[in-house]
Amino acid sequence: SQKIEQNSEALNIQEGKTATLTCNYTNYSPAYLQWYRQDPGRGPVFLLLIRENEKEKRKERLKVTFDTTLKQSLFHITASQPADSATYLCALRRTTDSWGKLQFGAGTQVVVTP
Amino acid sequence: DGGITQSPKYLFRKEGQNVTLSCEQNLNHDAMYWYRQDPGQGLRLIYYSQIVNDFQKGDIAEGYSVSREKKESFPLTVTSAQKNPTAFYLCASSTYRSSYNEQFFGPGTRLTVL
Repeated sequence: SQKIEQNSEALNIQEGKTATLTCNYTNYSPAYLQWYRQDPGRGPVFLLLIRENEKEKRKERLKVTFDTTLKQSLFHITASQPADSATYLCALRRTTDSWGKLQFGAGTQVVVTP
Repeated sequence: DGGITQSPKYLFRKEGQNVTLSCEQNLNHDAMYWYRQDPGQGLRLIYYSQIVNDFQKGDIAEGYSVSREKKESFPLTVTSAQKNPTAFYLCASSTYRSSYNEQFFGPGTRLTVL
């Protein structure tokens, strides 16, 4: 079966440290992978996209890596701040799917304490 | 301001009733999507539409229906055939013109069956 797995346990981290989240997938051939941020009771907000032929992408304090051999993406928040506390979702578009159709992971909650 | 609106924010339904959730966007986006989010699970795609007057079933379409008569609107009807409709429903839109293929989400509707 096809699965996208994110760590279900919340990640508790001290302000200023780097938070690293994992997104593992099985039996997918991804065209690209996206990361979203979701605050409680609200819709997700897009953060970054990385394509199958890319190894790393950065945006301000965020960094995403993509290893299609390991079938894994890592999402890093450097110099974390309490305002970074949220749930982070990864989403894949399979090469066999029509444009725009995404498969989402369940998300990992990040809690940054001062 | 451009964005996606969903209404109502909270909706209560008695068993056996059909209810319609509203989704409107003024982003001039071509594609629109409906997702369902349950605790501890990823977003699951119910229906999506890539063009007016056309839509496709997602992964969990049973018990739901949609229409796309206008580019701006994509209402979702939760029918009495949906066995467990209590959930958080999210509407999203996207455009082919973006190189990031990101989806923009509305604020969500929380549906509770009494």
